[in-house]
Order: sequence, then structure tokens, then C-alpha cells
Amino acid sequence: GIQVEQSPPDLILQEGANSTLRCNFSDSVNNLQWFHQNPWGQLINLFYIPSGTKQNGRLSATTVATERYSLLYISSSQTTDSGVYFCAVGNNFGNEKLTFGTGTRLTIIP
Amino acid sequence: EAGVAQSPRYKIIEKRQSVAFWCNPISGHATLYWYQQILGQGPKLLIQFQNNGVVDDSQLPKDRFSAERLKGVDSTLKIQPAKLEDSAVYLCASSLERGGGDTQYFGPGTRLTVL
Repeated sequence: GIQVEQSPPDLILQEGANSTLRCNFSDSVNNLQWFHQNPWGQLINLFYIPSGTKQNGRLSATTVATERYSLLYISSSQTTDSGVYFCAVGNNFGNEKLTFGTGTRLTIIP
Repeated sequence: EAGVAQSPRYKIIEKRQSVAFWCNPISGHATLYWYQQILGQGPKLLIQFQNNGVVDDSQLPKDRFSAERLKGVDSTLKIQPAKLEDSAVYLCASSLERGGGDTQYFGPGTRLTVL
């Protein structure tokens, strides 16, 4: 099956800093989503982005499908951004099965 | 709009016992997913329903796990008998319809501890 690798595995930043999280995948995809899992375990969908660039407030994401990677940018980090960020991909047309990466744990220090 | 509901939130059982989890998806969402998330890992899909039919259950340990989605709305996931390695968070998600571009919305999860 498709392999998903995320980097870095852990990231500790001061409040206000910017960060870039990376997701590499091993095959072509027709579905790519970024999620944030907060410290209480709730998974929140951030972006559906199988290709191109999207922005939502301080967060933006870019997927370069031909080179099989996606980037999540977080600007002006806040403590509420802490948690684990997951990239999930799918490549089954007509079947929305997602394969998740192992995540990047982000800790924002006040 | 109400989100995905799950119950119970926490469950502690002894090995070889049985346990059941319940999920109610977002109203109108045709597709429902059950994931297993072991500590330190990303969620792993166990089973996917489209209305009340199974689309994918290739990673469901069918000797002990079962799931159903009656009437195409809420769903139950059962484990019988439970093993120590089943300790995990069980997440339910739903999406509007099958096909490309469907955002998945997750419930709060059920944390299962098997002693």
C-alpha cells in the first residue's frame, strides 16, 4: 500500500514563530488531507488539498502532486496550535480510504 | 450542525471480555468510517460503510471485530473477545458522500483499555 512519511517527528517552538511541516507519499494520490489532533485527542480537518495551494488564516498548505509531497505552514504560532499534525492520503478512486502518516508533534512554548 | 457523536468516551475491560462502541455520524453523511489509533501512531482504517453497505473492511480483524450500520445511519463496532493489543482509541468519522474530495469529520473517540 501507499507509504506516508512526515517530518519532523517533533517540533518545539516559541510562541510567534513560523513552522513548516512536510508530508511525503510513495504513490500518486487523489485525496490528501491535513488534520490537527489537539491534546484532548480530537481530530480536526484543516485542509483537503490533493494539489495546489490553500490558505485559512495563519495556516496554509501546498501539495505538489507530481513530486509527491505536501507542506503545511503555520505562521505566528499560538499555544493552541500545539498537538499532533497528521497528513492522510488516498489513491483509490471511488473509495475514500485514507492512509495516515505517523504525525508531527508540535509544542508551542509561551 | 452537530458533529459526530461517540459513546462511551472511556471503557476499561479485562481481556477476553466483549465491548461495543456506538457512533452517530453527521446528519446526511452517507459514508461512515471506524479507525483504530494506537498510542503514538496515526489512525488506521478498520472499516468503511457507504450507507449501510461495507466498502472496505480489509484491515478489520474479523475473527474478533464486527461492525454494522443499520438503516444507513448510526453504527456499532464490537470486539469479542478483547485482547491486550486492542487497547487504543477507536475513532468514528463521516463524510458527505463517496467520491473524490470528501472531507472526513471525526468524533471525539472512545479510549479502550484492556487489562
